[in-house]
Amino acid sequence: AQTVTQSQPEMSVQEAETVTLSCTYDTSENNYYLFWYKQPPSRQMILVIRQEAYKQQNATENRFSVNFQKAAKSFSLKISDSQLGDTAMYFCAFTRNNNDMRFGAGTRLTVKP
Amino acid sequence: EAGVAQSPRYKIIEKRQSVAFWCNPISGHATLYWYQQILGQGPKLLIQFQNNGVVDDSQLPKDRFSAERLKGVDSTLKIQPAKLEDSAVYLCASSFLRGQETQYFGPGTRLLVL
Repeated sequence: AQTVTQSQPEMSVQEAETVTLSCTYDTSENNYYLFWYKQPPSRQMILVIRQEAYKQQNATENRFSVNFQKAAKSFSLKISDSQLGDTAMYFCAFTRNNNDMRFGAGTRLTVKP
Repeated sequence: EAGVAQSPRYKIIEKRQSVAFWCNPISGHATLYWYQQILGQGPKLLIQFQNNGVVDDSQLPKDRFSAERLKGVDSTLKIQPAKLEDSAVYLCASSFLRGQETQYFGPGTRLLVL
């Protein structure tokens, strides 16, 4: 069974600084997809970034980037120039081709002014 | 483009009562998902539809939960009878196809069972 582990229940960062959220996963599959979702207090889950396991290049979306280490089964999210609006729960998620998406328990990120 | 719509946003019921949630996916999305998110946890898939057929309902407590997507568009999730442990946020998501497609989530329905 696939599992996703987020070892940091809570984190905080000063505005404009950089923070990295950790995620590890367990799978025997070779082809799969990884996601980071953001869930602000309004509870609408929003896609932040996605990574295809067959791609060696790390995905980047503006201030958000990932460090994908396939051999180590690690998928961390780096947020640069943190903004107050980045305050939210962040969920790491994993899916194979059948789209049975598994989520981690989440990391609560607080950006402090 | 309109997002995934869900209603109601909040619901409070007493245990043993029944409740229903409604979801309208993004237009053209063939796949629809219902998730249960208990406070402090990540979402857990309850059921997945491809058009109007069930693809995966292995984690759906079928003795009390049911879901349908009769015309392959909107969907209803029902709980009957509700238990205290059903208190959670119920999230609906949709994607264009199955497989590696990104899922888009609705705002969720927060259920409190007293």
